[in-house]
Amino acid sequence: DAKTTQPTSMDCAEGRAANLPCNHSTISGNEYVYWYRQIHSQGPQYIIHGLKNNETNEMASLIITEDRKSSTLILPHATLRDTAVYYCIVRVPWGAAGNKLTFGGGTRVLVKP
Amino acid sequence: GAVVSQHPSWVICKSGTSVKIECRSLDFQATTMFWYRQFPKQSLMLMATSNEGSKATYEQGVEKDKFLINHASLTLSTLTVTSAHPEDSSFYICSAEPGQSQETQYFGPGTRLLVL
Repeated sequence: DAKTTQPTSMDCAEGRAANLPCNHSTISGNEYVYWYRQIHSQGPQYIIHGLKNNETNEMASLIITEDRKSSTLILPHATLRDTAVYYCIVRVPWGAAGNKLTFGGGTRVLVKP
Repeated sequence: GAVVSQHPSWVICKSGTSVKIECRSLDFQATTMFWYRQFPKQSLMLMATSNEGSKATYEQGVEKDKFLINHASLTLSTLTVTSAHPEDSSFYICSAEPGQSQETQYFGPGTRLLVL
């Protein structure tokens, strides 16, 4: 799996958009970018994933650069409940090497009032 | 959305005893389930991949005789920590995937194990 690099931590203001960057410069053409978050003492929660195109769902938007070497997760209106560790994961395709998710250190996001 | 449950949510046991943790996919069938372990202030580490009807695949450094995994049905996988010791105290999390696609894994709420 390609390695990802994320900032260790970041603070965000409640009500403002939170932009979480992720670098994955060694990503291969058929690898997807996944984002999960883990609120304290809970299991990870799936947020969004994408291959090439930008994606949006009810939780967030995912912007992937044209060269696919980096991406940004956008939480449009951060709330206090968005405080969590956010993980950016690049995933091998199904069947290639199992369906493993390799978690890095993630970004610890603190949403402040 | 897909729901994965774990039981128990927390457990305290004496050193030397065995502890069984259950992972269930409540509204979908999961051919494959995964078991992770997370120590305080650290990230999740994959322990093993659990395949229904076959032996689990363990990650390097994880003792298969200590962490017994059984995936007896498409909705249930169990992890048994045998002869638990204080260093096995951790947060154990399972995940399950609905099928053979790029669809994501869904995680359980975790089980906190404390070995005294």
